[in-house]
Amino acid sequence: SQTIHQWPATLVQPVGSPLSLECTVEGTSNPNLYWYRQAAGRGLQLLFYSIGIDQISSEVPQNLSASRPQDRQFILSSKKLLLSDSGFYLCAWSVPGLRFPYEQYFGPGTRLTVT
Amino acid sequence: KNEVEQSPQNLTAQEGEFITINCSYSVGISALHWLQQHPGGGIVSLFMLSSGKKKHGRLIATINIQEKHSSLHITASHPRDSAVYICAGAAGGTSYGKLTFGQGTILTVHP
Repeated sequence: SQTIHQWPATLVQPVGSPLSLECTVEGTSNPNLYWYRQAAGRGLQLLFYSIGIDQISSEVPQNLSASRPQDRQFILSSKKLLLSDSGFYLCAWSVPGLRFPYEQYFGPGTRLTVT
Repeated sequence: KNEVEQSPQNLTAQEGEFITINCSYSVGISALHWLQQHPGGGIVSLFMLSSGKKKHGRLIATINIQEKHSSLHITASHPRDSAVYICAGAAGGTSYGKLTFGQGTILTVHP
């Protein structure tokens, strides 16, 4: 069966520090991968999606970046965190090639607090 | 731009009541997801539908493609149903399943 992991589960970082959040998927190949963010009091927003290794699209301009060094690994990074980067970050995956619409499966999330 | 509007934002019910949450979406969205988010933040996918109606236990989801409207119903509500319910629209074609989310409905069911 397929499993999605995210770490860390919680993170408190000072403003200006770097960030690296990791997401890995098990039990499937070549998944579509997504990073979402839920800021306090706001709805979920798509940040990045990837349809393959080194194929990443950004949906929202910001100081975050994403990378996909391996088929089932998706990393969210920042060189310098801002207070506005605080929020709940969710990774998700879907299986391409199946008949639309694609079922999406969500990871447990990382709660990031920038102080 | 794809948009999803959800109502109500907050909903309080007594145990046993029938609950309805509504979602309207814009042209370009071809399928609706209904998600449940628990207080810890974890999200569970409840339904994904592009036509008709789906049922799972006490939960029923319907979608009207012509009216671009979907509803989530909970029959015989229970305090454990308390959570945030989110509808999310998926565009078709080469959108790769990207989702546009509603603001969520905070449901509280009292015993």
